[in-house]
Amino acid sequence: DAGVIQSPRHEVTEMGQEVTLRCKPISGHDYLFWYRQTMMRGLELLIYFNNNVPIDDSGMPEDRFSAKMPNASFSTLKIQPSEPRDSAVYFCASSRGQGAKYEQYFGPGTRLTVT
Amino acid sequence: AQSVSQHNHHVILSEAASLELGCNYSYGGTVNLFWYVQYPGQHLQLLLKYFSGDPLVKGIKGFEAEFIKSKFSFNLRKPSVQWSDTAEYFCAVIPGYSSASKIIFGSGTRLSIRP
Repeated sequence: DAGVIQSPRHEVTEMGQEVTLRCKPISGHDYLFWYRQTMMRGLELLIYFNNNVPIDDSGMPEDRFSAKMPNASFSTLKIQPSEPRDSAVYFCASSRGQGAKYEQYFGPGTRLTVT
Repeated sequence: AQSVSQHNHHVILSEAASLELGCNYSYGGTVNLFWYVQYPGQHLQLLLKYFSGDPLVKGIKGFEAEFIKSKFSFNLRKPSVQWSDTAEYFCAVIPGYSSASKIIFGSGTRLSIRP
Protein backbone atom coordinates (compact mmCIF):
# COMPACT_ATOMS: atom_id res chain seq x y z
CA ASP A 1 0.00 0.00 0.00
CA ALA A 2 1.30 3.46 -0.88
CA GLY A 3 0.10 5.00 2.34
CA VAL A 4 -1.54 8.40 2.62
CA ILE A 5 -0.43 10.64 -0.22
CA GLN A 6 -0.31 14.41 0.04
CA SER A 7 0.55 17.05 -2.49
CA PRO A 8 2.30 19.32 -2.83
CA ARG A 9 5.01 18.57 -0.27
CA HIS A 10 6.03 22.21 -0.14
CA GLU A 11 4.07 25.31 -1.05
CA VAL A 12 5.26 28.88 -0.94
CA THR A 13 2.72 31.55 -1.74
CA GLU A 14 2.08 35.22 -1.22
CA MET A 15 -0.44 36.60 1.20
CA GLY A 16 -3.88 36.85 -0.35
CA GLN A 17 -3.43 33.95 -2.74
CA GLU A 18 -5.58 30.84 -2.73
CA VAL A 19 -3.90 27.64 -1.59
CA THR A 20 -5.21 24.12 -2.19
CA LEU A 21 -3.74 21.11 -0.42
CA ARG A 22 -4.57 17.62 -1.60
CA CYS A 23 -4.83 14.24 0.06
CA LYS A 24 -5.39 10.69 -1.08
CA PRO A 25 -6.25 8.38 1.83
CA ILE A 26 -5.38 4.71 2.09
CA SER A 27 -7.78 2.62 0.07
CA GLY A 28 -10.53 1.15 2.22
CA HIS A 29 -10.22 3.75 4.96
CA ASP A 30 -13.50 5.54 5.55
CA TYR A 31 -12.24 8.26 7.89
CA LEU A 32 -10.08 11.16 6.80
CA PHE A 33 -8.56 13.81 9.06
CA TRP A 34 -6.84 17.13 8.39
CA TYR A 35 -4.34 18.43 10.97
CA ARG A 36 -2.21 21.54 11.23
CA GLN A 37 1.15 21.53 13.01
CA THR A 38 2.84 24.71 14.24
CA MET A 39 5.54 25.41 16.79
CA MET A 40 3.19 27.52 18.85
CA ARG A 41 0.10 25.31 18.89
CA GLY A 42 1.43 21.85 18.21
CA LEU A 43 -0.75 19.41 16.28
CA GLU A 44 -4.38 20.48 15.91
CA LEU A 45 -7.26 18.60 14.34
CA LEU A 46 -8.98 20.86 11.82
CA ILE A 47 -11.73 18.67 10.39
CA TYR A 48 -12.58 15.05 9.77
CA PHE A 49 -14.77 13.15 7.34
CA ASN A 50 -16.58 9.83 7.49
CA ASN A 51 -17.61 8.26 4.20
CA ASN A 52 -16.87 11.56 2.46
CA VAL A 53 -19.17 13.54 4.79
CA PRO A 54 -17.72 16.22 7.08
CA ILE A 55 -18.44 15.18 10.67
CA ASP A 56 -16.68 17.76 12.81
CA ASP A 57 -15.17 20.99 11.52
CA SER A 58 -14.93 22.71 14.90
CA GLY A 59 -11.17 22.92 14.55
CA MET A 60 -11.24 24.93 11.35
CA PRO A 61 -9.77 28.29 12.35
CA GLU A 62 -12.02 30.56 10.32
CA ASP A 63 -14.08 30.94 7.18
CA ARG A 64 -11.00 31.30 5.04
CA PHE A 65 -10.50 27.56 5.48
CA SER A 66 -12.66 25.01 3.71
CA ALA A 67 -12.36 21.27 3.10
CA LYS A 68 -14.07 18.92 0.71
CA MET A 69 -14.10 15.23 0.03
CA PRO A 70 -15.79 14.64 -3.33
CA ASN A 71 -15.07 10.90 -3.26
CA ALA A 72 -13.51 8.20 -1.11
CA SER A 73 -10.06 8.66 -2.61
CA PHE A 74 -9.59 12.41 -2.60
CA SER A 75 -9.85 15.39 -0.28
CA THR A 76 -8.81 19.01 -0.45
CA LEU A 77 -8.11 21.69 2.11
CA LYS A 78 -8.38 25.19 0.71
CA ILE A 79 -7.29 28.48 2.22
CA GLN A 80 -8.62 31.62 0.56
CA PRO A 81 -7.21 34.19 1.04
CA SER A 82 -4.04 32.93 2.68
CA GLU A 83 -2.26 34.86 5.44
CA PRO A 84 1.28 34.57 6.89
CA ARG A 85 -0.14 33.08 10.11
CA ASP A 86 -1.38 30.12 8.08
CA SER A 87 2.22 29.01 7.61
CA ALA A 88 2.43 25.51 9.05
CA VAL A 89 2.73 21.86 8.14
CA TYR A 90 -0.64 20.39 7.19
CA PHE A 91 -1.08 16.65 7.67
CA CYS A 92 -3.76 14.40 6.30
CA ALA A 93 -4.48 11.09 8.03
CA SER A 94 -6.87 8.24 7.38
CA SER A 95 -8.23 5.29 9.34
CA ARG A 96 -10.60 2.37 8.96
CA GLY A 97 -12.79 3.65 11.78
CA GLN A 98 -13.11 6.30 14.40
CA GLY A 99 -12.04 6.04 18.00
CA ALA A 100 -9.27 4.42 19.93
CA LYS A 101 -9.27 1.05 18.21
CA TYR A 102 -8.46 2.45 14.83
CA GLU A 103 -4.96 3.65 14.14
CA GLN A 104 -4.63 6.81 12.12
CA TYR A 105 -2.07 6.67 9.33
CA PHE A 106 -0.50 10.00 8.55
CA GLY A 107 0.69 11.37 5.25
CA PRO A 108 4.06 13.11 4.79
CA GLY A 109 2.53 16.56 5.20
CA THR A 110 2.52 19.75 3.17
CA ARG A 111 4.77 22.52 4.42
CA LEU A 112 3.01 25.80 3.64
CA THR A 113 4.81 29.12 3.76
CA VAL A 114 2.81 32.28 3.21
CA THR A 115 4.92 35.39 2.70
CA ALA B 1 -11.33 21.19 28.55
CA GLN B 2 -9.43 17.98 27.98
CA SER B 3 -5.74 18.48 27.38
CA VAL B 4 -2.45 16.65 27.08
CA SER B 5 0.72 18.09 28.60
CA GLN B 6 4.26 17.28 27.61
CA HIS B 7 6.40 19.40 29.89
CA ASN B 8 9.74 18.65 28.27
CA HIS B 9 9.96 20.60 25.04
CA HIS B 10 13.50 19.58 24.15
CA VAL B 11 15.55 16.75 25.63
CA ILE B 12 19.20 16.20 24.79
CA LEU B 13 20.86 12.89 25.65
CA SER B 14 23.98 10.99 24.81
CA GLU B 15 23.82 7.60 23.16
CA ALA B 16 23.16 4.72 25.59
CA ALA B 17 21.52 7.04 28.11
CA SER B 18 18.13 6.11 29.49
CA LEU B 19 15.09 8.05 28.36
CA GLU B 20 11.87 9.06 30.03
CA LEU B 21 9.47 11.54 28.42
CA GLY B 22 6.60 12.80 30.49
CA CYS B 23 2.96 12.89 29.44
CA ASN B 24 0.01 13.96 31.57
CA TYR B 25 -3.60 14.30 30.56
CA SER B 26 -6.64 15.92 32.06
CA TYR B 27 -9.66 13.64 31.88
CA GLY B 28 -11.21 11.71 34.71
CA GLY B 29 -12.84 8.90 32.78
CA THR B 30 -11.65 6.04 30.61
CA VAL B 31 -8.84 6.99 28.28
CA ASN B 32 -6.97 5.48 25.40
CA LEU B 33 -3.37 6.56 25.16
CA PHE B 34 -0.83 6.75 22.36
CA TRP B 35 2.72 7.76 21.62
CA TYR B 36 3.60 8.84 18.11
CA VAL B 37 7.06 9.56 16.72
CA GLN B 38 7.99 11.94 13.92
CA TYR B 39 11.48 11.44 12.50
CA PRO B 40 13.05 14.48 10.80
CA GLY B 41 11.22 15.26 7.59
CA GLN B 42 8.83 12.35 7.96
CA HIS B 43 5.23 11.81 8.97
CA LEU B 44 3.91 10.71 12.34
CA GLN B 45 4.09 7.01 13.10
CA LEU B 46 2.50 5.10 15.94
CA LEU B 47 5.02 3.91 18.55
CA LEU B 48 2.65 2.25 20.98
CA LYS B 49 -0.85 2.43 22.37
CA TYR B 50 -2.80 1.54 25.48
CA PHE B 51 -6.47 0.56 25.53
CA SER B 52 -6.84 -1.63 28.60
CA GLY B 53 -5.16 -4.44 30.52
CA ASP B 54 -1.51 -4.41 31.46
CA PRO B 55 -0.58 -0.77 32.14
CA LEU B 56 2.97 -1.41 30.92
CA VAL B 57 2.86 -1.30 27.15
CA LYS B 58 5.66 -2.45 24.87
CA GLY B 59 6.10 -0.71 21.56
CA ILE B 60 8.40 -0.81 18.57
CA LYS B 61 12.14 -0.10 18.66
CA GLY B 62 12.50 -0.92 22.35
CA PHE B 63 10.15 1.75 23.62
CA GLU B 64 7.67 1.18 26.41
CA ALA B 65 5.18 3.31 28.31
CA GLU B 66 3.45 2.95 31.63
CA PHE B 67 -0.09 4.07 32.32
CA ILE B 68 -0.47 5.29 35.89
CA LYS B 69 -4.13 6.12 36.34
CA SER B 70 -3.72 7.78 39.73
CA LYS B 71 -1.20 10.20 38.26
CA PHE B 72 -3.00 10.71 34.93
CA SER B 73 0.30 9.90 33.28
CA PHE B 74 1.58 7.84 30.37
CA ASN B 75 5.35 8.33 30.32
CA LEU B 76 7.50 6.97 27.52
CA ARG B 77 10.70 5.13 28.35
CA LYS B 78 13.65 3.49 26.67
CA PRO B 79 16.55 2.01 28.63
CA SER B 80 19.27 2.89 26.12
CA VAL B 81 18.76 5.41 23.33
CA GLN B 82 20.45 5.43 19.95
CA TRP B 83 21.32 8.28 17.64
CA SER B 84 18.53 7.09 15.33
CA ASP B 85 15.99 7.89 18.05
CA THR B 86 16.44 11.57 17.30
CA ALA B 87 12.90 12.68 16.54
CA GLU B 88 9.89 14.48 17.92
CA TYR B 89 7.61 12.47 20.18
CA PHE B 90 3.92 13.16 20.64
CA CYS B 91 1.68 11.84 23.36
CA ALA B 92 -2.01 11.60 22.46
CA VAL B 93 -5.24 10.77 24.23
CA ILE B 94 -8.69 9.71 23.13
CA PRO B 95 -11.03 10.32 26.05
CA GLY B 96 -13.81 7.80 26.47
CA TYR B 97 -15.08 5.05 24.22
CA SER B 98 -17.48 7.02 22.09
CA SER B 99 -16.88 6.72 18.41
CA ALA B 100 -17.16 10.50 18.34
CA SER B 101 -14.21 10.95 20.68
CA LYS B 102 -11.43 12.87 19.01
CA ILE B 103 -7.74 12.33 19.50
CA ILE B 104 -5.96 15.11 21.39
CA PHE B 105 -2.23 15.55 20.88
CA GLY B 106 0.33 17.03 23.22
CA SER B 107 2.66 19.74 21.96
CA GLY B 108 5.49 17.28 21.44
CA THR B 109 8.97 16.72 22.85
CA ARG B 110 11.98 17.05 20.62
CA LEU B 111 14.62 14.44 21.40
CA SER B 112 18.19 15.05 20.28
CA ILE B 113 20.75 12.28 20.70
CA ARG B 114 24.44 13.12 20.70
CA PRO B 115 26.50 10.44 18.96
